Amino acid sequence: DAMVIQNPRYQVTQFGKPVTLSCSQTLNHNVMYWYQQKSSQAPKLLFHYYDKDFNNEADTPDNFQSRRPNTSFCFLDIRSPGLGDAAMYLCATSRSWGGYTFGSGTRLTVV
Amino acid sequence: QKEVEQNSGPLSVPEGAIASLNCTYSDRGSQSFFWYRQYSGKSPELIMSIYSNGDKEDGRFTAQLNKASQYVSLLIRDSQPSDSATYLCAVNMGTGNQFYFGTGTSLTVIP
Repeated sequence: DAMVIQNPRYQVTQFGKPVTLSCSQTLNHNVMYWYQQKSSQAPKLLFHYYDKDFNNEADTPDNFQSRRPNTSFCFLDIRSPGLGDAAMYLCATSRSWGGYTFGSGTRLTVV
Repeated sequence: QKEVEQNSGPLSVPEGAIASLNCTYSDRGSQSFFWYRQYSGKSPELIMSIYSNGDKEDGRFTAQLNKASQYVSLLIRDSQPSDSATYLCAVNMGTGNQFYFGTGTSLTVIP
């Protein structure tokens, strides 16, 4: 089945230790997104790739970076995780227009 | 300012009743609107899309859009306990296919 896969499902990292979350898709969608969702809050758009073009939200901290080496993969890098970065990180894909397909998410814990 | 507002609830309805969920948004130029269902600890799942003013029906779900009032709603008829979840309103704002989410309305259907 075509899908969006996020690894790992659960990630524990130490305060200040860089961490990378991964997302892959078999849908051949040209747009990929990263959202951060904290408990009882709305998913917050961090950035997205439209094809190879990177689009950062104005209020996304510099601590968050992303890479998209090819159509299928996208990575979220957190350079120095703080306690406030603990959240569910959701990867989503879409065609140029239309609804998203979400991955199952990665729950990040910072200790 | 990209804002999507929802009543966080919780909203409780008896089984078989109609559940009504509401959403307002800030960008008068928005053209695409989606409703997602999110179970606790899971990623959002697309249930309805609407692009034009008026009603759109899909099974037990009806989405209603009023662009002049910047208002979109979701009606769930014959509510079932399995409908108990958080319902997220997502609105397209900006120049691309970026969607911004409300905080969601928690719905409980009481058997």
